[in-house]
Amino acid sequence: KAGVTQTPRYLIKTRGQQVTLSCSPISGHRSVSWYQQTPGQGLQFLFEYFSETQRNKGNFPGRFSGRQFSNSRSEMNVSTLELGDSALYLCASSSGVAKTQYFGPGTRLLVL
Amino acid sequence: SQKIEQNSEALNIQEGKTATLTCNYTNYSPAYLQWYRQDPGRGPVFLLLIRENEKEKRKERLKVTFDTTLKQSLFHITASQPADSATYLCALPLRGGGTSYGKLTFGQGTILTVHP
Repeated sequence: KAGVTQTPRYLIKTRGQQVTLSCSPISGHRSVSWYQQTPGQGLQFLFEYFSETQRNKGNFPGRFSGRQFSNSRSEMNVSTLELGDSALYLCASSSGVAKTQYFGPGTRLLVL
Repeated sequence: SQKIEQNSEALNIQEGKTATLTCNYTNYSPAYLQWYRQDPGRGPVFLLLIRENEKEKRKERLKVTFDTTLKQSLFHITASQPADSATYLCALPLRGGGTSYGKLTFGQGTILTVHP
């Protein structure tokens, strides 16, 4: 099976812009979670989608949003970018029944 | 709020020795705990999961223990090799996640370097 894929892999934006990141889970996986990883805060949970519904949300401002499509692919959007949003954004998928999370390679976002 | 700590930011050992990494947590009684490996520029890779009713779990050269009284997990790599050099992360299901398995809280990670 192909692994979790994320696009784009690298992105440079300026403050105030918005960005959309994409994640394609492992075939058959219905749960997709998003995480932000920074050197200072480590890996932090953003939100989780299961069968097109947001199941859980982390402690991030409303500028961070996401959605999941009927084919389980997911997107996350960050509006009005701030310098502190520079991070590695990781997507993970699971079957929704098993506890193992399969992570993608991440999208590295740099906000200037 | 729940807190998870990996009390070694970096660990350096010689090839062939056993690496022992520690994960402590507070204000929480998780049903399970997971360990992941992360290489630079890549996403974490799942290694092992141990449930609250299990004391020990093994997989090849890896061993995990889970002491719910001490609120601590130990992760051992025996006969370590330079290829084991990576960041190792412990993770707990976030409280309030219900039946969701995708909501994890991670420790800061321990950077393991195995010297030849």
